[in-house]
Amino acid sequence: NAGVMQNPRHLVRRRGQEARLRCSPMKGHSHVYWYRQLPEEGLKFMVYLQKENIIDESGMPKERFSAEFPKEGPSILRIQQVVRGDSAAYFCASSKDRGTEAFFGQGTRLTVV
Amino acid sequence: AQTVTQSQPEMSVQEAETVTLSCTYDTSESNYYLFWYKQPPSRQMILVIRQEAYKQQNATENRFSVNFQKAAKSFSLKISDSQLGDTAMYFCAFTIFNNAGNNRKLIWGLGTSLAVNP
Repeated sequence: NAGVMQNPRHLVRRRGQEARLRCSPMKGHSHVYWYRQLPEEGLKFMVYLQKENIIDESGMPKERFSAEFPKEGPSILRIQQVVRGDSAAYFCASSKDRGTEAFFGQGTRLTVV
Repeated sequence: AQTVTQSQPEMSVQEAETVTLSCTYDTSESNYYLFWYKQPPSRQMILVIRQEAYKQQNATENRFSVNFQKAAKSFSLKISDSQLGDTAMYFCAFTIFNNAGNNRKLIWGLGTSLAVNP
């Protein structure tokens, strides 16, 4: 059973470009969480999704950021018009329905130049 | 407000010795889980141990154990017989549950950087 898969592992974007981060949850998991980790800091919650639904997006910036978890395919975190401050590690985690443990992917390190 | 505080930004320990990492948290919820995660230089986030808030017995996982003091909202991690591979950032976190019983977002501390010295 493969773990949570995130790709790409590293992503470099120029200011103003779009960044798309993908997350495939563990098999059988229908809950996905996205977190952002800035240098020397802990993780900050961004968004919690179930299939085709955003459950909690209280940690998402109001502009430029969006997330989806379609019926088929991976969850996507999309950042439009990236700025240097978006440089961070973005982690995805998944859990089972009514599960208590979130399993993490290896993260995507986004660098905006 | 729901917060997690890790008061030790950095710690070091000699190989084979024991070290305790502290964590305090704040929540008004009664149903929650507590976790310690490890993040080695590879940056993978790895679950070390978890504790259900309704359980009085402290969780243990091989060389890792916790001291859970619910009234004090304290959740420390003890690592026994430290090994070089334990060198990592350690994050304390907790999650509460919504009315449907599904887990919600994790609330994280800022982490403690642990160095195990040979």
